[in-house]
Amino acid sequence: DTEVTQTPKHLVMGMTNKKSLKCEQHMGHRAMYWYKQKAKKPPELMFVYSYEKLSINESVPSRFSPECPNSSLLNLHLHALQPEDSALYLCASSQVWEGIPEAFFGQGTRLTVV
Amino acid sequence: SQQGEEDPQALSIQEGENATMNCSYKTSINNLQWYRQNSGRGLVHLILIRSNEREKHSGRLRVTLDTSKKSSSLLITASRAADTASYFCAVRGSQGNLIFGKGTKLSVKP
Repeated sequence: DTEVTQTPKHLVMGMTNKKSLKCEQHMGHRAMYWYKQKAKKPPELMFVYSYEKLSINESVPSRFSPECPNSSLLNLHLHALQPEDSALYLCASSQVWEGIPEAFFGQGTRLTVV
Repeated sequence: SQQGEEDPQALSIQEGENATMNCSYKTSINNLQWYRQNSGRGLVHLILIRSNEREKHSGRLRVTLDTSKKSSSLLITASRAADTASYFCAVRGSQGNLIFGKGTKLSVKP
């Protein structure tokens, strides 16, 4: 199984809503990532989890709250978002070991904040 | 930023032609990867080239790496309409995360 599964595929939320994005992989990868991608731009790193511990938070606003409940799951909790947070949110996973650096991406959640 | 520009930003060709995309980076690397992204979807790993390699082939893909110029190129031969996508080069950051170039949007017309 070389899949990273993200749910939901699409999400429309109001600025006062609370929602969560979910990501799951069963490849035994111990590094998991959230990226944000705006239209016509490359993905930008938001968070890195390594062995279920947050190792990078790229100065992301606190209205985005990541969680890694176990080695297979990664969540992104959303609260009080702004319209400019509308984007494609991508989850990825990889081996921690540099020898196998390939990352596997989910299909993304297309988020629209209204 | 560890990444430089990719060029061209957009490329439009006819089916059967070859497509060449270039990527530059700024730091020393152990490897460089190329990813493909269909419109609004996830990224798919295409090919990886290690810093001690100069050229690598995979099917219709050919990647070159010039570490002295800190640049790489991706060549897609005999392109097909299904190759229409955005292509990104990426290097690995200190925490294993990927740092992407700005990407080339390839359009292959049937």
